[in-house]
Amino acid sequence: DSGVTQTPKHLITATGQRVTLRCSPRSGDLSVYWYQQSLDQGLQFLIQYYNGEERAKGNILERFSAQQFPDLHSELNLSSLELGDSALYFCASSVGGGLGNEQYFGPGTRLTVT
Amino acid sequence: GIQVEQSPPDLILQEGANSTLRCNFSDSVNNLQWFHQNPWGQLINLFYIPSGTKQNGRLSATTVATERYSLLYISSSQTTDSGVYFCAAEGAQKLVFGQGTRLTINP
Repeated sequence: DSGVTQTPKHLITATGQRVTLRCSPRSGDLSVYWYQQSLDQGLQFLIQYYNGEERAKGNILERFSAQQFPDLHSELNLSSLELGDSALYFCASSVGGGLGNEQYFGPGTRLTVT
Repeated sequence: GIQVEQSPPDLILQEGANSTLRCNFSDSVNNLQWFHQNPWGQLINLFYIPSGTKQNGRLSATTVATERYSLLYISSSQTTDSGVYFCAAEGAQKLVFGQGTRLTINP
């Protein structure tokens, strides 16, 4: 158990809908990272927040947004969902603010768009 | 942008064998990381290795930044080493992953 929690574990929704994925980092970690893993695109870095502020941005679509709250949990919002958004979404956390810090991964949220 | 290629894509070995996984990257990078995803999907950060060599038990990694490659060595493989190994290169505030090497260790 990494100490990083993600909810929900599974999510099934329809095209055009909007969903919110939630991540709680390990106690004491200030950074949260979001990743998408799909069969087509592989593993992709989406975005990183450090202590409430956006720190690094990867291949995140404009339809997606994220934020980190004062209690350091983070939410990833996915809107106008398309079939191609079906994927496993991982959250990770670390103490430091760089991309090179040792990251601890949550179990992931599996999103299925029908 | 940075391109990352891993080889081989698949590797099947018997327990006790040694293996070498390779990661090539296209540009100068600030950092190179290795990750392991076990057969149940859990991801673990193995190494943060922008250059030089690091060892952790039976695993070690070497990055030669000037030649733009990194190697992950696994010695005396165990069935628990099975899974997919990813490398990721960091540059310009982005982290780019390779497609992974799927390692299967048979008992």
